[in-house]
Amino acid sequence: SQQGEEDPQALSIQEGENATMNCSYKTSINNLQWYRQNSGRGLVHLILIRSNEREKHSGRLRVTLDTSKKSSSLLITASRAADTASYFCAYTGANSKLTFGKGITLSVRP
Amino acid sequence: EPEVTQTPSHQVTQMGQEVILRCVPISNHLYFYWYRQILGQKVEFLVSFYNNEISEKSEIFDDQFSVERPDGSNFTLKIRSTKLEDSAMYFCASRWGQANTGELFFGEGSRLTVL
Repeated sequence: SQQGEEDPQALSIQEGENATMNCSYKTSINNLQWYRQNSGRGLVHLILIRSNEREKHSGRLRVTLDTSKKSSSLLITASRAADTASYFCAYTGANSKLTFGKGITLSVRP
Repeated sequence: EPEVTQTPSHQVTQMGQEVILRCVPISNHLYFYWYRQILGQKVEFLVSFYNNEISEKSEIFDDQFSVERPDGSNFTLKIRSTKLEDSAMYFCASRWGQANTGELFFGEGSRLTVL
């Protein structure tokens, strides 16, 4: 399968802690993106990192990309209860489609 | 802020019936997609559409599925004869830029329940 794989599958932390989510993939990529999905809702784009980038920041989000290991991580700092959601990594290769991982369920306890 | 809109939000249908899910992508976007997500599971690519034709489709997108952009604004997904396993959330997405760059903008989804 060319699908991305995230780990852990589920993560439960206390508000204020940092949340780290990892993603691995199997093919060459053009870019890797992280999306968030609140229960029963659509997917919201969080951040994109290109294959020639190693790290990117956006507010409380930090994403890294290691193309040699075919892996990426998403760090959410100082988590809030409102960060509770499912998080998906997704990547594009040579074609236009975005391939999603299975997702990580993050629960932030108040 | 521009957004992708989908209708209906929820549709219940009998097995074997035809279903049309509608999407209005963001107006200046050029690439259009359908994805589906079976409850609690992964988000699966169905089809991509550019320049009025399918550019890529997955194994899921068999002869029972079709897409159309009947006018300058709508992008539809038709399932000719629904099966129980078609029950899922269907997401439409659009993108402005070149094929393999940039983010996708997703709609809120259409939940299809096949009985």
